[in-house]
Amino acid sequence: GENVEQHPSTLSVQEGDSAVIKCTYSDSASNYFPWYKQELGKGPQLIIDIRSNVGEKKDQRIAVTLNKTAKHFSLHITETQPEDSAVYFCAASKKAAGNKLTFGGGTRVLVKP
Amino acid sequence: DSGVTQTPKHLITATGQRVTLRCSPRSGDLSVYWYQQSLDQGLQFLIQYYNGEERAKGNILERFSAQQFPDLHSELNLSSLELGDSALYFCASSVGPGQGFGANVLTFGAGSRLTVL
Repeated sequence: GENVEQHPSTLSVQEGDSAVIKCTYSDSASNYFPWYKQELGKGPQLIIDIRSNVGEKKDQRIAVTLNKTAKHFSLHITETQPEDSAVYFCAASKKAAGNKLTFGGGTRVLVKP
Repeated sequence: DSGVTQTPKHLITATGQRVTLRCSPRSGDLSVYWYQQSLDQGLQFLIQYYNGEERAKGNILERFSAQQFPDLHSELNLSSLELGDSALYFCASSVGPGQGFGANVLTFGAGSRLTVL
């Protein structure tokens, strides 16, 4: 089945700097790649997603890039703020498998003021 | 508030016991998913129901079972509990039967934290 690897497991950045989280997936048939943000004491929330027919997508300070050839996708957060501190999860799914999401292990991001 | 309601928020019990976790999906969502989040294991998919029927099964132990009722709420039953079952259990819901984009985007609840002593 699908396997999603996520790096790094922890990331500490200075407020205002950029943060980058990378994920690789194993199944070349995967076609949907969401990113979830989990704040302390809450469930994961979808923050951005990308389909396999798109190489990049932006939403204000966050962007996701996808490289289908290399089977990896990344989350970029620019001008980080303390409220960006959270655990971020990447995931992958494909229609053929009933769109079952496989999650990466998560990245704990700490933005230092 | 995501619209997905999970109860109880916290639960402490002893090994060998049985507990039931409850989930009410967002209004209009037909699918309910259960995930387990342990410290060292990330988000593990357990099981999915769509409109009352089991749709997909993940790494769910035989000691665990779930069901979705006619009003679409779901219950996850955990029995013969072991220390290793201590975890956060999340419920998520979606309109459609998959776990992808559009109608299949997942919305998560706040979770139920189970501690087995």
